[in-house]
Amino acid sequence: DSGVTQTPKHLITATGQRVTLRCSPRSGDLSVYWYQQSLDQGLQFLIQYYNGEERAKGNILERFSAQQFPDLHSELNLSSLELGDSALYFCASSQWGQGNTEAFFGQGTRLTVV
Amino acid sequence: GEDVEQSLFLSVREGDSSVINCTYTDSSSTYLYWYKQEPGAGLQLLTYIFSNMDMKQDQRLTVLLNKKDKHLSLRIADTQTGDSAIYFCAESPREVTLTFGGGTRLMVKP
Repeated sequence: DSGVTQTPKHLITATGQRVTLRCSPRSGDLSVYWYQQSLDQGLQFLIQYYNGEERAKGNILERFSAQQFPDLHSELNLSSLELGDSALYFCASSQWGQGNTEAFFGQGTRLTVV
Repeated sequence: GEDVEQSLFLSVREGDSSVINCTYTDSSSTYLYWYKQEPGAGLQLLTYIFSNMDMKQDQRLTVLLNKKDKHLSLRIADTQTGDSAIYFCAESPREVTLTFGGGTRLMVKP
């Protein structure tokens, strides 16, 4: 158990819909990252938050957004869903910026868009 | 640019050594990482190496780093069937986040 909790584990939704994925980081970790894993694109970095502020952006679509709340949990919002958004979405947390280099991953949320 | 490449597949027999190779492009990474992903699971950090080291050994795992060629390898000694998984190498450009390779699927035959 990495200490990073993601909910839900599985999500099936229709095209055009909007979903919210949730992540609780490890206790004490201020950084949260979102990654998308798909068969054709591999593991792609989406976005990073550090202590509530957006710190880095990767290949995140405009239809996607994220935020980190004062209690440090994070949510990834995916809207106007397309079939190609079906993937495994991982959240990770770390103490980067606090002197530690390890990133710990949650079990992921498997999103299926039908 | 940020690009990490790995071979897609490796098959070994139980008890043999496995060597998984990786090339990366960004020389700003202070650390380079190896992660393991078992079926249906998240990524688990196996080991990492500081960029000014050539080698790191951790039980059955040996990481070799050739910084000049930007080549990283992971050797698993006495490979077991439980080692069957996908292995990802990753660099950390400017220590902001992780850039992953495409992953190497290791299959261990009994």
